[in-house]
Amino acid sequence: ETGVTQTPRHLVMGMTNKKSLKCEQHLGHNAMYWYKQSAKKPLELMFVYNFKEQTENNSVPSRFSPECPNSSHLFLHLHTLQPEDSALYLCASSQEGGAGVSYNEQFFGPGTRLTVL
Amino acid sequence: GQNIDQPTEMTATEGAIVQINCTYQTSGFNGLFWYQQHAGEAPTFLSYNVLDGLEEKGRFSSFLSRSKGYSYLLLKELQMKDSASYLCAAFTGGGNKLTFGTGTQLKVEL
Repeated sequence: ETGVTQTPRHLVMGMTNKKSLKCEQHLGHNAMYWYKQSAKKPLELMFVYNFKEQTENNSVPSRFSPECPNSSHLFLHLHTLQPEDSALYLCASSQEGGAGVSYNEQFFGPGTRLTVL
Repeated sequence: GQNIDQPTEMTATEGAIVQINCTYQTSGFNGLFWYQQHAGEAPTFLSYNVLDGLEEKGRFSSFLSRSKGYSYLLLKELQMKDSASYLCAAFTGGGNKLTFGTGTQLKVEL
């Protein structure tokens, strides 16, 4: 596997279900992100993890719960979601700081298309 | 607050040149990215500007004016495969936070 991978690619769930999205980066990066992409709206940053520590929570409802067990893996746990949470959820990673890093390009995974019924 | 504006849709002809504009009003600006996103796929990096001026990379070029809060992406010799959404994103505030525009859906026609 190369780059950033996400599973599942598609997910349909009811409002009472609990599910998890998984992201794995194979780039040796030290920062990982969750974004939400809805139709006709900008990509919305949800969470940022630097060196496994959460450094940003962009006013995300508590029904979304991130977990970063190590610098290569990122999860988004979902419970009691609403239909308006249906969207494409994108994971990204980047290398922050360090010698020789001129800019912090974020590499994106293919996303999980989530539908909440 | 953070605000990034770009046109919603553009149409251009194969072989032509198209310029996609982006204006931003952000706090703590640290640079501007352009990403390309084909339908159903991940956004992929095109360019990054932190200083004023033009950055050229093959058929794609990107320009930044920090004083005007303005950037553009220039695509030359358009090909059908260039039909995609082009996302403008600014590094804002401290750290590694990216703020995105809504994206410009470019359609390349024969």
